Amino acid sequence: DAGVTQSPTHLIKTRGQQVTLRCSPKSGHDTVSWYQQALGQGPQFIFQYYEEEERQRGNFPDRFSGHQFPNYSSELNVNALLLGDSALYLCASETGPATQYFGPGTRLTVL
Amino acid sequence: AQSVTQLDSQVPVFEEAPVELRCNYSSSVSVYLFWYVQYPNQGLQLLLKYLSGSTLVKGINGFEAEFNKSQTSFHLRKPSVHISDTAEYFCAVRTPGGSYIPTFGRGTSLIVHP
Repeated sequence: DAGVTQSPTHLIKTRGQQVTLRCSPKSGHDTVSWYQQALGQGPQFIFQYYEEEERQRGNFPDRFSGHQFPNYSSELNVNALLLGDSALYLCASETGPATQYFGPGTRLTVL
Repeated sequence: AQSVTQLDSQVPVFEEAPVELRCNYSSSVSVYLFWYVQYPNQGLQLLLKYLSGSTLVKGINGFEAEFNKSQTSFHLRKPSVHISDTAEYFCAVRTPGGSYIPTFGRGTSLIVHP
């Protein structure tokens, strides 16, 4: 059984560009959450998707948006990239109660 | 609002020695508590969790943690560490039936010396 997978592994963008990150949840998991982990920090919750709807959102601007597909996979989109968006972006899936399984992350560098 | 404080940013220890990584939380309601480990350039792996029941929770790789409601703590312990335990450890809290938004601590770097 494959765990949570994310693509790409690494990404380099310049300020102002847009980026799309992808996540495939663990088999049978219908809920996907996205986190931003800056260097030396704990993960910060961005948002959570369930049944193709955004269920909860953390304290992130509208430049951060997402989508969940009928097969439960998900995308994270970030527009108008800033230098401060450089981080490890983690995807986690779950089917309750409360236990999340994390993917390996996508390392985004904004120059 | 909930919050998590990991009291030590870095814990150096010699191989085969015991270790304790401290975690305190703040919440006005009951909580779920978690410990995750993150190896370099990897995602987070669940070590153990407390949802309800016994306050002593055993996890993978010989780790255990004790939920102390009166002290609002959930400290992680291992009686004898290995070099391979060198990693970043994160404590997290979630509110059952609440907003589902988990809060993570800033992490504790465990450094095991030979």
